[in-house]
Amino acid sequence: DAKTTQPNSMESNEEEPVHLPCNHSTISGTDYIHWYRQLPSQGPEYVIHGLTSNVNNRMASLAIAEDRKSSTLILHRATLRDAAVYYCILRDRAGTSYDKVIFGPGTSLSVIP
Amino acid sequence: NAGVTQTPKFQVLKTGQSMTLQCAQDMNHNSMYWYRQDPGMGLRLIYYSASEGTTDKGEVPNGYNVSRLNKREFSLRLESAAPSQTSVYFCATQQGAGYEQYFGPGTRLTVT
Repeated sequence: DAKTTQPNSMESNEEEPVHLPCNHSTISGTDYIHWYRQLPSQGPEYVIHGLTSNVNNRMASLAIAEDRKSSTLILHRATLRDAAVYYCILRDRAGTSYDKVIFGPGTSLSVIP
Repeated sequence: NAGVTQTPKFQVLKTGQSMTLQCAQDMNHNSMYWYRQDPGMGLRLIYYSASEGTTDKGEVPNGYNVSRLNKREFSLRLESAAPSQTSVYFCATQQGAGYEQYFGPGTRLTVT
């Protein structure tokens, strides 16, 4: 399975935009890019996913590079509630991992009031 | 709807004791999963069930057994608990291949 690389930690000021990067240089053409986040003492929750085009939903936006070797999760206005660990995950539609979600260490986001 | 529920929320076991963690979902999802999360670490997949009647090993299956009792319920059993199994255990469900997963609140297990 293709791997992802994320910074261990990031900080943001409250009410400012946050850009969380993810590198996936070995991504295959059938890999979807998924993002989850885990708030303290809770289970992970799905945030967003995409294949090639940028995606928006009520929680965040996902910007995917043209060569698909990297992507960025964008939180438009960080709130204290957005302090969490953010996981960038590849899911191969053509592979056995499509049934599963394999988590890496993620990026721990701190939001400063 | 309750979504994904897990029981118990907390448990302390002595080494060698056995116990079963229960997971139930009312989302009518086909797939169910068990993960463990050690302090400061990401989640690791223990076992999963892509559909009722099937189970498969994940990354760290040793020391665990699972039962997919029906579409709603997926249990995780520790036959002889060890301190290395001290962790937070999460159950998750998924509608089908490629869909997002929904997680339960977790069970915090300590083995002394």
